Amino acid sequence: SAVISQKPSRDICQRGTSLTIQCQVDSQVTMMFWYRQQPGQSLTLIATANQGSEATYESGFVIDKFPISRPNLTFSTLTVSNMSPEDSSIYLCSVDPRGVLRETQYFGPGTRLLVL
Amino acid sequence: QKEVEQDPGPLSVPEGAIVSLNCTYSNSAFQYFMWYRQYSRKGPELLMYTYSSGNKEDGRFTAQVDKSSKYISLFIRDSQPSDSATYLCATVRGSSNTGKLIFGQGTTLQVKP
Repeated sequence: SAVISQKPSRDICQRGTSLTIQCQVDSQVTMMFWYRQQPGQSLTLIATANQGSEATYESGFVIDKFPISRPNLTFSTLTVSNMSPEDSSIYLCSVDPRGVLRETQYFGPGTRLLVL
Repeated sequence: QKEVEQDPGPLSVPEGAIVSLNCTYSNSAFQYFMWYRQYSRKGPELLMYTYSSGNKEDGRFTAQVDKSSKYISLFIRDSQPSDSATYLCATVRGSSNTGKLIFGQGTTLQVKP
């Protein structure tokens, strides 16, 4: 398993500003993932972040809006840029500690974002 | 059509009841199926995962996959108030090591003492 922490746990932001969310894992992992969980909606993958390479974004998500950094094997950040109320959501990072089995991903506690 | 569909509930049962949570999926190529439990204000935690068809049991929890009908189920026996949470089913689109997790909407369960 893996222990994952996220900062901040919650925030209230004004539209047009940006927020950077941090994800820290207690062990080295190859792949980290960022998800969005909107009220009443499924968890949706935003992007996959590998250390030392550009993040891979899913359809509907772009780097200009959600830039991601992955400076080492235990840490990643997701920035939500130029925020609007539609960005209000829970943002979660997850890891695949075995590196080969997607079915055993572990999730952080999430960051609850409200954009006014 | 959503790839994974799940009735959001809410589902309310008395303590000790047997709970049945269900999902359907659209793509017969899906092979891996997971159930996650998410407590309020927490991230999802992996409960069980299964490969292909059949049953898998872990304590009070049983996961069942029926590939012929593209139907996955989670049964909780002797339900407890501590089981009150949102339960998400998920599958993997693509291969196990490079694929993408696809989630259902989640079913909110309340077990009343």
